[in-house]
Amino acid sequence: ETGVTQSPTHLIKTRGQQVTLRCSSQSGHNTVSWYQQALGQGPQFIFQYYREEENGRGNFPPRFSGLQFPNYSSELNVNALELDDSALYLCASGVGETQYFGPGTRLLVL
Amino acid sequence: GESVGLHLPTLSVQEGDNSIINCAYSNSASDYFIWYKQESGKGPQFIIDIRSNMDKRQGQRVTVLLNKTVKHLSLQIAATQPGDSAVYFCAENIHDYKLSFGAGTTVTVRA
Repeated sequence: ETGVTQSPTHLIKTRGQQVTLRCSSQSGHNTVSWYQQALGQGPQFIFQYYREEENGRGNFPPRFSGLQFPNYSSELNVNALELDDSALYLCASGVGETQYFGPGTRLLVL
Repeated sequence: GESVGLHLPTLSVQEGDNSIINCAYSNSASDYFIWYKQESGKGPQFIIDIRSNMDKRQGQRVTVLLNKTVKHLSLQIAATQPGDSAVYFCAENIHDYKLSFGAGTTVTVRA
């Protein structure tokens, strides 16, 4: 196991709502990244946090935001949900280049 | 744009045979590559990585080859087993450990 956990495992929301997804990393993993994986596609980089500061962002709008906490946990927040936000959301953490992924949260937006 | 891609979306292999999964990348400045395995309902699992100053790296039953001249990466799995059935992704470190993934190759192992 990677030591990276995510909650919840599944979630159903309606369009326009807001959602918060959570990730817990291993102690010492000072980098956490979030990815969106649409069905049948590879993960797409959303953003990365390093020592509680955003450290790079992919091609995602500002309604995708995040937080990283000192206890190696982090959050992904998505406002004003759209149907196309339905996907598997993955967090990955590590020290250095090797990133270990959690099992993901499956989000369905109706 | 710059991207990482896999040559074939699916691969069917007989149990016990060797598998070869290919990946092409376009960012010549990339210096670190990773192969991940993703089983249904799970997150990507790290398999093996390689830096750009190497052309080959071996793990347990897996070998990654890197050809920087043609910007090609491959994953070889020896003696493929049913548990190797999954989607395999190559990923490229684009900057500060931010990964760019290809679309994946689905490997199916026939008994």
